Amino acid sequence: KAGVTQTPRYLIKTRGQQVTLSCSPISGHRSVSWYQQTPGQGLQFLFEYFSETQRNKGNFPGRFSGRQFSNSRSEMNVSTLELGDSALYLCASSYPSGGDTQYFGPGTRLTVL
Amino acid sequence: AQSVTQLGSHVSVSEGALVLLRCNYSSSVPPYLFWYVQYPNQGLQLLLKYTTGATLVKGINGFEAEFKKSETSFHLTKPSAHMSDAAEYFCAVTPREETSGSRLTFGEGTQLTVNP
Repeated sequence: KAGVTQTPRYLIKTRGQQVTLSCSPISGHRSVSWYQQTPGQGLQFLFEYFSETQRNKGNFPGRFSGRQFSNSRSEMNVSTLELGDSALYLCASSYPSGGDTQYFGPGTRLTVL
Repeated sequence: AQSVTQLGSHVSVSEGALVLLRCNYSSSVPPYLFWYVQYPNQGLQLLLKYTTGATLVKGINGFEAEFKKSETSFHLTKPSAHMSDAAEYFCAVTPREETSGSRLTFGEGTQLTVNP
């Protein structure tokens, strides 16, 4: 099976812009989760989507949003970018139960100038 | 809220030596437990997980971990370190409640250095 794919792999944006990141899960996986990784805050949960519905949400401002399509592909959007949004954004897919393994994509490296 | 503590943000061992990376969780109900590894400029790869059953779990690349409920711990070990083990290691948990979904809470990570 193909793994989790994320596009683009690298992005450079300026403050105030918005950005959309894409994630294609492993075939058959219906749960997609997003995480932000920074040197200062580590790995933090953004949100989880299952069957096109947001099932869980982390403690991030409303500028961070996401959605999931009927084919389980997911996108996350960050509006009005701030310098502190520079991070590696990781997507993970799994079957829907908590004990199931989450498989991670390679991430999208976002740099905000 | 659940939390995960990894003792030691940096661990250095010699090639061939024992690797021990520590992880403790705080939760009234033992969660599902995971260890992931991250190589530079890559995503996270699952090493092993504990859901139920035998408390000593074997994973990939010769790693294993033991769930100890009384100590709320899930330490990761490998008998003999290899240069290729140099990476960052993350302990993570997910609550067992069905309504919790797949939300992972991660520890701060431990950077493992293997010296020749």
